Amino acid sequence: QSVLTQPPSVSGAPGQRVTISCTGGSSNNGAGYDVHWYQQLPGAAPKLLIYGNNIRTSGVPDRFSGSRSGTSASLVISGLQAEDEADYYCQSSDFSLSGSEVVFGGGTKLTVL
Amino acid sequence: EVQLVESGGGLVQPGGSLRLSCAASGFAFSDYGMNWVRQAPGKGLEWISYISSSSKTIYYADSVKGRLTISRDNAKNSLYLQMNSLRDEDTAVYYCASQTLYSFGPLDYWGQGSLVTVSS
Repeated sequence: QSVLTQPPSVSGAPGQRVTISCTGGSSNNGAGYDVHWYQQLPGAAPKLLIYGNNIRTSGVPDRFSGSRSGTSASLVISGLQAEDEADYYCQSSDFSLSGSEVVFGGGTKLTVL
Repeated sequence: EVQLVESGGGLVQPGGSLRLSCAASGFAFSDYGMNWVRQAPGKGLEWISYISSSSKTIYYADSVKGRLTISRDNAKNSLYLQMNSLRDEDTAVYYCASQTLYSFGPLDYWGQGSLVTVSS
């Protein structure tokens, strides 16, 4: 079971807007730690999409945007395109008695209809 | 251009051992923390270990503590994962990933992955 909770799947038609949520607890993103988002195309390694809650990495279209509020973060994809079909993962840090860990959400499969 | 290239994966019997390597280039490897992340077939991403730039700080996920050992050789720009007492559930693609943006920040560069299959 993942520390960060994401919906297993979302879908939308080309041109539409979809939102992927990421909900954490008091020891990770709920504690104020940054949330980052990754895109994993079929058969490929994950790629950093957004970091620090809302900063797009170089080359990422501005159709992708991120936000965080309290214990929740969101990835919004506007103007959906066929090539956006992929798995998306949120990630944060979790600081506990045993040290610091990287924690991932369970992933969300985006289907472009 | 940043490159991370994993090697060393393969088929191993339950209880066996394997050592993964990750060759880094295109950035100041010795300055940054590194991680191993794995992905079982059809499953999500699972972080398994972190090592700081100097190797002074190391963290493991509970699922691998005592069986997997992370290490690095900054002179060779290389990261390693020694895997012992392997189990069926360790079958996965193993990725190395860097953290160059800031401490405890995102995993900004990833290798292509190395498949480890644990099976008799």
